[in-house]
Amino acid sequence: DTGVSQDPRHKITKRGQNVTFRCDPISEHNRLYWYRQTLGQGPEFLTYFQNEAQLEKSRLLSDRFSAERPKGSFSTLEIQRTEQGDSAMYLCASSSVVGGTGELFFGEGSRLTVL
Amino acid sequence: KNQVEQSPQSLIILEGKNCTLQCNYTVSPFSNLRWYKQDTGRGPVSLTIMTFSENTKSNGRYTATLDADTKQSSLHITASQLSDSASYICVVRSGSQGNLIFGKGTKLSVKP
Repeated sequence: DTGVSQDPRHKITKRGQNVTFRCDPISEHNRLYWYRQTLGQGPEFLTYFQNEAQLEKSRLLSDRFSAERPKGSFSTLEIQRTEQGDSAMYLCASSSVVGGTGELFFGEGSRLTVL
Repeated sequence: KNQVEQSPQSLIILEGKNCTLQCNYTVSPFSNLRWYKQDTGRGPVSLTIMTFSENTKSNGRYTATLDADTKQSSLHITASQLSDSASYICVVRSGSQGNLIFGKGTKLSVKP
């Protein structure tokens, strides 16, 4: 499978716990994005990387959220001290800035439920 | 303010019928417009991507149109199938490497 993969697909945690999601982009893609999506809404931008550099962060990304892409390949999104409002689907997407239209390819998402 | 608005919010149709979903945007500068299909609990999957110069693009039973003058796009689904039940999201890119502006989606339900 050469698509974007995310792990875990589902995570249930208690309020106050930390969680970490992983995203493996399409191998030749140098851009990687994180989005959050709640029920009935479109995806909301959180942050994106070009290679290992984090180029933009949304105001939605509070100081409890941190994302890394240490070697310019896979990325992790960590949420510390989770709150019930963090319950959402966290989507990862990747694209290439070399040629083409920069089309985004999404993973299947990681659904977080905070009890 | 850059915005993408979709209508209707939800739609129920009978299997075999056609339907049209609308997307209006106020995004400048415009780079391209994409339609994604998102099955419940899954990630979005690209259907079409249209640049400024393209008016119509088809992908099987899906046909997207773009009117850059009125800043409107539509997605027409022909001979709907039960598997078309999903949310359809319109996304506009601002500038060549700019932000992606997402609509909230139209939830389509196809009933037998």
